[in-house]
Amino acid sequence: EAGVVQSPRYKIIEKKQPVAFWCNPISGHNTLYWYRQNLGQGPELLIRYENEEAVDDSQLPKDRFSAERLKGVDSTLKIQPAELGDSAVYLCASSFQGAMDTEAFFGQGTRLTVV
Amino acid sequence: GENVEQHPSTLSVQEGDSAVIKCTYSDSASNYFPWYKQELGKGPQLIIDIRSNVGEKKDQRIAVTLNKTAKHFSLHITETQPEDSAVYFCAASRGYSSASKIIFGSGTRLSIRP
Repeated sequence: EAGVVQSPRYKIIEKKQPVAFWCNPISGHNTLYWYRQNLGQGPELLIRYENEEAVDDSQLPKDRFSAERLKGVDSTLKIQPAELGDSAVYLCASSFQGAMDTEAFFGQGTRLTVV
Repeated sequence: GENVEQHPSTLSVQEGDSAVIKCTYSDSASNYFPWYKQELGKGPQLIIDIRSNVGEKKDQRIAVTLNKTAKHFSLHITETQPEDSAVYFCAASRGYSSASKIIFGSGTRLSIRP
């Protein structure tokens, strides 16, 4: 079974440019998360989806970050415009929440470098 | 706000010895405590978890203990092997599910000396 797939793996952009990350969760998983991991730190939740609905986006910087999960499957995270401080690894994770909850499985992440 | 503190930030042990990582949490409503292992270039992987209704859980060479009164929990790895070298994160969450919001510690870089 394929795990959580993220693309691209690496992205280098100049500040003020837009960037987008894509995530394909594990088939059947209804819950999807986007985390940001700064160097030497633990992941921090940006947004959590249950199906198509964003149920927790309190940590998402809404002035420049946006996310969507159309049809409750794939998701994209966008930054526009990017700032130097946005350099980090962006992790996507998915899980199933229901009668039998599963653990959250993480993708390999997208390493963003803003120059 | 909710916070999870993790110590030490780096740990080096001789192969075959034990390693212990300790965490404390601030949210008294937390009741699910997963531990993740992250290898270079990969996402975190769940290795063991514990819920608030138990005080200890063991899975082969890995064990976790939880003290809800003191709000701290620990990871114990016995008979360490080279493949145990990685960054380990503790985490805390409300709700009996990893689907709930998970607050991560800052990580411990574990190195196993041959």
